[in-house]
Amino acid sequence: KNEVEQSPQNLTAQEGEFITINCSYSVGISALHWLQQHPGGGIVSLFMLSSGKKKHGRLIATINIQEKHSSLHITASHPRDSAVYICAVHRNDYKLSFGAGTTVTVRA
Amino acid sequence: DTGVSQDPRHKITKRGQNVTFRCDPISEHNRLYWYRQTLGQGPEFLTYFQNEAQLEKSRLLSDRFSAERPKGSFSTLEIQRTEQGDSAMYLCASSSDSSGGDWRTQYFGPGTRLTVL
Repeated sequence: KNEVEQSPQNLTAQEGEFITINCSYSVGISALHWLQQHPGGGIVSLFMLSSGKKKHGRLIATINIQEKHSSLHITASHPRDSAVYICAVHRNDYKLSFGAGTTVTVRA
Repeated sequence: DTGVSQDPRHKITKRGQNVTFRCDPISEHNRLYWYRQTLGQGPEFLTYFQNEAQLEKSRLLSDRFSAERPKGSFSTLEIQRTEQGDSAMYLCASSSDSSGGDWRTQYFGPGTRLTVL
């Protein structure tokens, strides 16, 4: 079993809809990251969380350390949000463990 | 400040050939990471350098794989006697211990896509 599990695997939404992606992990962590990957490979860091909630534009990330769970929300989704969203956890000094990613498609 | 760069972006090779990839981290980033990503999966950790020292090498890396960071700046990843199972995206990332930044935030390069025929 992977240390980091994401759901759903794929998600299709209509423009303007609210999107939620979930991440559960089974190991102790020092931080959790949400990453965005566009076709072609480039990965961009969206958030790093160790507690609570962070917001950037239309993106909101939350984490519950006790339940080992995090969510990424996209409000008022737009076709340019279409990408793969990856949850990753920092287990120790340097190593990241990644979820398999959630492919989000937003239709106009 | 340029980002992490990787070269080449794409590599097609025949089984049994050797390939070498290069990663140039963000200037003065002392931490450098290599990951491998297969289709439909998240990246997997391969190896980590702090300055020029290779501090960990994943079990995923057989003895056909070697990575170096000779002067603590750019890094190379070499695969000898490539196999079809080596086909993947090879990602490099860097981060910094310097004050003002969080070493846990990694900056990723665009990746090198390897296809072994």
